[in-house]
Amino acid sequence: GQQLNQSPQSMFIQEGEDVSMNCTSSSIFNTWLWYKQDPGEGPVLLIALYKAGELTSNGRLTAQFGITRKDSFLNISASIPSDVGIYFCAGNNAGNMLTFGGGTRLMVKP
Amino acid sequence: DGGITQSPKYLFRKEGQNVTLSCEQNLNHDAMYWYRQDPGQGLRLIYYSQIVNDFQKGDIAEGYSVSREKKESFPLTVTSAQKNPTAFYLCASSIWMAGELFFGEGSRLTVL
Repeated sequence: GQQLNQSPQSMFIQEGEDVSMNCTSSSIFNTWLWYKQDPGEGPVLLIALYKAGELTSNGRLTAQFGITRKDSFLNISASIPSDVGIYFCAGNNAGNMLTFGGGTRLMVKP
Repeated sequence: DGGITQSPKYLFRKEGQNVTLSCEQNLNHDAMYWYRQDPGQGLRLIYYSQIVNDFQKGDIAEGYSVSREKKESFPLTVTSAQKNPTAFYLCASSIWMAGELFFGEGSRLTVL
């Protein structure tokens, strides 16, 4: 089946730093989604990408759909304490159900 | 407001007891899902349903059961056959099977 490798698994950064995380797939996807999960809550959709090469921003967040359609990147600029949480990538193709990455746990030092 | 409501938020049960977690959505979504999340781990699919009166096993269905009698509701029963039921359970829905998932706030089950 489809597999998603998300990295890094965890990050501990200083407030104000920029953050980068990525996901790679063993197969081609036609949709990439990025979710954030706050502690004790359900994941919330941050950004959706539908076209190879697409670059989309949502405030301080920017995500890209890789040209090969096998990867995606999420960047967070000027991190703040409320950025703490787990970030999940998800993707699918050809009408299949979403496959989720293992998550990146972000911790921010004030 | 439209959304997905899970209840209860926290639940404690004794070993050997069945427990049912509620999930209701008013988004008019056809597809609904149940995921399990263990501490520091990702999401694992338990069951999913594409349409009323139909559901399919996910990756870790053993020890769980579901029903889909109404479009809005997809309850999950954690049975006594589930050997390690303590976890955070997430319900989600989507317009169709390949669509974006919208999640509820989760239910944390602890077995004493």
